[in-house]
Amino acid sequence: QKEVEQNSGPLSVPEGAIASLNCTYSDRGSQSFFWYRQYSGKSPELIMFIYSNGDKEDGRFTAQLNKASQYVSLLIRDSQPSDSATYLCAVKWSGGSYIPTFGRGTSLIVHP
Amino acid sequence: KAGVTQTPRYLIKTRGQQVTLSCSPISGHRSVSWYQQTPGQGLQFLFEYFSETQRNKGNFPGRFSGRQFSNSRSEMNVSTLELGDSALYLCASSLAGQDNTEAFFGQGTRLTVV
Repeated sequence: QKEVEQNSGPLSVPEGAIASLNCTYSDRGSQSFFWYRQYSGKSPELIMFIYSNGDKEDGRFTAQLNKASQYVSLLIRDSQPSDSATYLCAVKWSGGSYIPTFGRGTSLIVHP
Repeated sequence: KAGVTQTPRYLIKTRGQQVTLSCSPISGHRSVSWYQQTPGQGLQFLFEYFSETQRNKGNFPGRFSGRQFSNSRSEMNVSTLELGDSALYLCASSLAGQDNTEAFFGQGTRLTVV
């Protein structure tokens, strides 16, 4: 059973701080990793994806992947109240299907 | 470029009825996946269609079915609705599915079974 684990939170950070969201996965055959943001009552919106070990930056967002330790994280710099949402981690495995498995999500609250 | 379009946005149905949901993927995307999202279970994979064929299937009962048309549009059907089927149903499209490319979600259909 391939699993993707996230702390449900809520993670509360002050405006302007760095928010750090973590995700661990169970299968070393994992190929690609995605972060989605989901506002309450809305559908998930893709923020970033990462395939290789290391960091990938896009504006205020940085995804970090460590395949040896089987975790992927998302850092949000200069957090804004508008970043308050649930962040979903998704992992794709090879082996025939590439169907992404989603974590339950971490709720982030950025307070002014 | 238009995004993924799901219709209808909201539905209220009675137990025992059936329902059909529609999803139009991003132009050029050939893979359509369906998910059920509930507060208790999170995002659960239902099935994936590619080139009018169901390519992958999640762990849902046979009451949940789908199909895909030649223009890649997909429909999902739930028969004999149960109260527990109340959920947000999401479809996601991607170029080919069986690769590392990203998937994009539609706005979802909120189904309430009473």
